[in-house]
Formats: sequence, structure tokens, C-alpha cells
Amino acid sequence: SQTIHQWPATLVQPVGSPLSLECTVEGTSNPNLYWYRQAAGRGLQLLFYSVGIGQISSEVPQNLSASRPQDRQFILSSKKLLLSDSGFYLCAWSGRGRGSSEQFFGPGTRLTVL
Amino acid sequence: EDKVVQSPLSLVVHEGDTVTLNCSYEVTNFRSLLWYKQEKKAPTFLFMLTSSGIEKKSGRLSSILDKKELFSILNITATQTGDSAVYLCAVPASKIIFGSGTRLSIRP
Repeated sequence: SQTIHQWPATLVQPVGSPLSLECTVEGTSNPNLYWYRQAAGRGLQLLFYSVGIGQISSEVPQNLSASRPQDRQFILSSKKLLLSDSGFYLCAWSGRGRGSSEQFFGPGTRLTVL
Repeated sequence: EDKVVQSPLSLVVHEGDTVTLNCSYEVTNFRSLLWYKQEKKAPTFLFMLTSSGIEKKSGRLSSILDKKELFSILNITATQTGDSAVYLCAVPASKIIFGSGTRLSIRP
């Protein structure tokens, strides 16, 4: 069966510090991968998605970047965090082809920037 | 512009009540509509709807899609405190678009 992991679960970082959040998927090959942010009391905002190694699409201009160094690994990064980067970050995967539109989410990382 | 709108934004009911959550959408090349339940952490998948008028059911939860009027409803009957969560509606378009969610609180 497929599983998706994220770490860390919780992170508190000072403003201006770098960030690296990891997401890995097991039990599937060549998944579509997604990074979302959920600010307190708000819906999910798609940040990045990837259809393959090294292929990243950015949905919103921001202080963050993403990379996909391996088929089942997706990394969210920042060189210098801002206060507004605080939020709940979710990684998700979906399969390919027809009937694979549902996404499955990792446990999330709660980031607080102070 | 593709969009997904959920209503109400927030709802408080008593245990045992029945609730109906709404999701309307405007997307090009519609394929499916998804419902998720989000408690403290990651959303969990509930239903995927692709055809109009066919009810999907899981226990006390059910959902139906109307592709003509471009909306879906999620029904929860005999609500329990464990149903308290944010319920998210999503429509895959060129990318998946999520509504802002409905925060449902069940009071004992």
C-alpha cells in the first residue's frame, strides 16, 4: 500500500533562517507530487506541483522553492523565512491517468516563524 | 477563472442533528469532485463524485453531484462529536482547486 511521510511534524524557526521540509512517498512510482500551505482558519493553497524528477511548477510567487531530486521525494525550501511563511504545510501525491484525480495527503508540518 | 466555493463557512449543531454542506464550482474540463475531512492534521479522503445524481454513501455520510447546476452536497445524519472537523471540497482542473472549507462543530 502507498504511504506518504513528512518531516518534521512541527518546526519553530526564527525570521531569516533557512527552511527544508521533506516529503517522501512509498508504494507507488512516478506520482504527481504537491505542496500546499494552509494558513490558520483558511483553505488549502497550492504552492508547487511536480509531474516528474526535476519538473516543478510554481503556483504563486513567494519566498519558497521546491525540488524533486528523486521520483518519490519532494522538498520545500526557503533561504530566508518570513513571518508570513508560518502555516501548516501539506504534501500530497496522486497517481497518473484517468480515475487518479484524488490526492492523498501526508501528516503535515506545522511551521511557526518567530 | 476556475473556482470552488463552499458554504456555510462555519456551522455549529447539536449531536444527533443532520447537516448539509454545500460546494459549488466553476471549472473548465470538469472530471470529478472530491470531498475530504480534515481534523487536526491532514485531510482524509471521503468521496469522489464523477456522475450526476448518483449518491455515494459511507455510513452516516453521503454525497451527491449535480453537474447541470454545478454543485455537490455532503450530508451527515445523526451527527456525533467525532464528526467535528473542517470539510473540504476540491475539483481537479488544470490543477486541483480546494474550497475554503466548512468548519463543522458538533455540540454534545
